[in-house]
Amino acid sequence: DTGVSQDPRHKITKRGQNVTFRCDPISEHNRLYWYRQTLGQGPEFLTYFQNEAQLEKSRLLSDRFSAERPKGSFSTLEIQRTEQGDSAMYLCASSQAGTGNSGNTIYFGEGSWLTVV
Amino acid sequence: SQQGEEDPQALSIQEGENATMNCSYKTSINNLQWYRQNSGRGLVHLILIRSNEREKHSGRLRVTLDTSKKSSSLLITASRAADTASYFCATDGVEYGNKLVFGAGTILRVKS
Repeated sequence: DTGVSQDPRHKITKRGQNVTFRCDPISEHNRLYWYRQTLGQGPEFLTYFQNEAQLEKSRLLSDRFSAERPKGSFSTLEIQRTEQGDSAMYLCASSQAGTGNSGNTIYFGEGSWLTVV
Repeated sequence: SQQGEEDPQALSIQEGENATMNCSYKTSINNLQWYRQNSGRGLVHLILIRSNEREKHSGRLRVTLDTSKKSSSLLITASRAADTASYFCATDGVEYGNKLVFGAGTILRVKS
C-alpha cells in the first residue's frame, strides 16, 4: 500500500496519560499535515511540516501537543496529560509541494481514533 | 476557523438520482478540493479544481467553481448506495497558507 498510513488506528487511554501517534506519508511527499476531527465536524488543521521543518502550528495545538518529523519522512504526534476533550480522530495527510498555483493534491490517511476515558 | 460551508447539511436521495452539494468560502483561493469520508474512515480525495478553472469532471463527478460568487458545487450523477458518505470541500489560498481549510460537510444518504 503506497498511501498515507497511520498507527495505531484506535487508542483508548486514561485521562492524564500520554499518547503518541505515528504517520508515514506517501514516500515522495515533502509536506506532512496533522488534522483533528470531532464527530459531525470537518477536519481542523493542527500543524504541518515541509521536510523536517515545522512551518505552521495552529492555536489548537496547546503546549501538551508536540509533533516531530525528524528525518523528513515519518512524523509523530504526541499528546501529554490527555484530557477528555482530546478525544477525536487525528488525521495525517501528505502532499508534494509545488510552486505557485500548481494545485497540490493532499492525501489523507485513515486516521487514528483517540478516546480518553 | 472554517473557510468553507457546505449546503445542504444533509441530503437523502434515491439510488439513480443526482446529488448536488454546494460549498461557499470567504477569501480568495488557489485551489478547492472535494473529499469523501465514509463513517469512521479517513478522507478520500475526489477532485481538485484550480482557481482559474470553471469546471472539472471525473467519472460520475462534476465540479464547478465560481470565484466571483466564492462558491463551488459537486454533482454526483446516477448515485449509488455506495456513495453514502460525508462530503467536504476544502480550500487553500493566500490567507490560509499551504494548509487546507475545511467546511463542516454534507452528509449524503443514497437509499436503495
